[in-house]
This record gives sequence, C-alpha cells and structure tokens, in this order.
Amino acid sequence: AQRVTQPEKLLSVFKGAPVELKCNYSYSGSPELFWYVQYSRQRLQLLLRHISRESIKGFTADLNKGETSFHLKKPFAQEEDSAMYYCALRSGAGSYQLTFGKGTKLSVIP
Amino acid sequence: NAGVTQTPKFRVLKTGQSMTLLCAQDMNHEYMYWYRQDPGMGLRLIHYSVGEGTTAKGEVPDGYNVSRLKKQNFLLGLESAAPSQTSVYFCASSYSTSQSGNQPQHFGDGTRLSIL
Repeated sequence: AQRVTQPEKLLSVFKGAPVELKCNYSYSGSPELFWYVQYSRQRLQLLLRHISRESIKGFTADLNKGETSFHLKKPFAQEEDSAMYYCALRSGAGSYQLTFGKGTKLSVIP
Repeated sequence: NAGVTQTPKFRVLKTGQSMTLLCAQDMNHEYMYWYRQDPGMGLRLIHYSVGEGTTAKGEVPDGYNVSRLKKQNFLLGLESAAPSQTSVYFCASSYSTSQSGNQPQHFGDGTRLSIL
C-alpha cells in the first residue's frame, strides 16, 4: 500500500531563512508527487508537481527516487508562506486516487 | 468561474439525523472526489466518481453514500450521522488521467460538519 509521511506537524522559521518541508513516500512503482497548500481561510490548492519541474512562489521540489523523498524547499521564507502544506502521491497513470500526508504547518516569524 | 462549490459551508446535526452535502463543478471535469479532513490525519478519500452514473469507494467509505446523477454534481449523504463523522469535508474534481496525464485536483472551500 502507498503511504506519504510528513514527519513535522509544525515548522517555524524566521523570515528570510531557508525552508525545507520534508515528504517521504512508500510506493513500489513510479509515483506522481504533488505539493498542495492551504492558506488561512482559503481552499486547498496545488502548489507544484514533480513532473513539471517548476518553481512556484519560489518553492521547488525534487523527486529523489533513491531516498523516496519529495522535499519542498525555498531559499528565503516570506511571511505570506505561512500555511498548511500537504504532500500527495498518485500511483501513476490511470490511477484516480491521491494519498495525502498529514500535513505540515509552516509558520514564518517576522 | 466558480470552480468547485460546496454547500452548505457549515452544519450542526444531532446523532441519527441525515443530510446531504452538495458539490458542484463548472470545469467539465470527469472525476470528482469527497475527502474528510481531521486534525492530525490529513485528507482521506471517502468516495470518488470517474464519470456520470459511476461511483466507487475510497479509503474511508463506511457510513456514507454518494451519487453522481449529473456530471457537474457529486452528492455525499450521511444516512444516520454519528459523532465520529464530525469533520471538515472537501470535494474535489479533475480531468481524467487518460485525457491529460497527471492533472491536479481542484478543491472546494470545504463543509464543516459537527455531529452532537
């Protein structure tokens, strides 16, 4: 069975400091990985996906199949980055279901 | 463009009562999903639908029923509400994976449901 683990429930960093939100997964095949973000009083929305290899709002995430990780990184945290972040996995093409991690609350201290 | 709309946004029920949550999407998405979000548990899939007239069970389907009579609507029903069903419910929709690869899911604002 597939599983997504986000080891940190809460992560606090100072404004301007680097941020790394950890995500590890368990899946035997070739997964598709996503990061979703939920800002205060807003709906859950896609932040980025590994297949696009994109940078959104300064965040990047690289899929490391050897370490089965998909950590989210940003070199300089901003106050507006404070939110809940969820890592999610889909077990490849044709799969309907997303498996979510439990989420990490990022708090950026001014 | 409203995207995914959920009604109601908030509801309080007594144990044993029934109710239906409505999800509507205007993006012509094939797939629709219902999740529940509980503290420390993340999002867990309740039921999903890959097209009009079809539904399937997700990770935590017990105590819920769903219907997809129209492509744009996905209903979640609680036949006899229990306190364990107190949660925030999210609906989501997406294009089919066969149409366009790993399309993301688009979420509604959520429905906060309390069962007393």
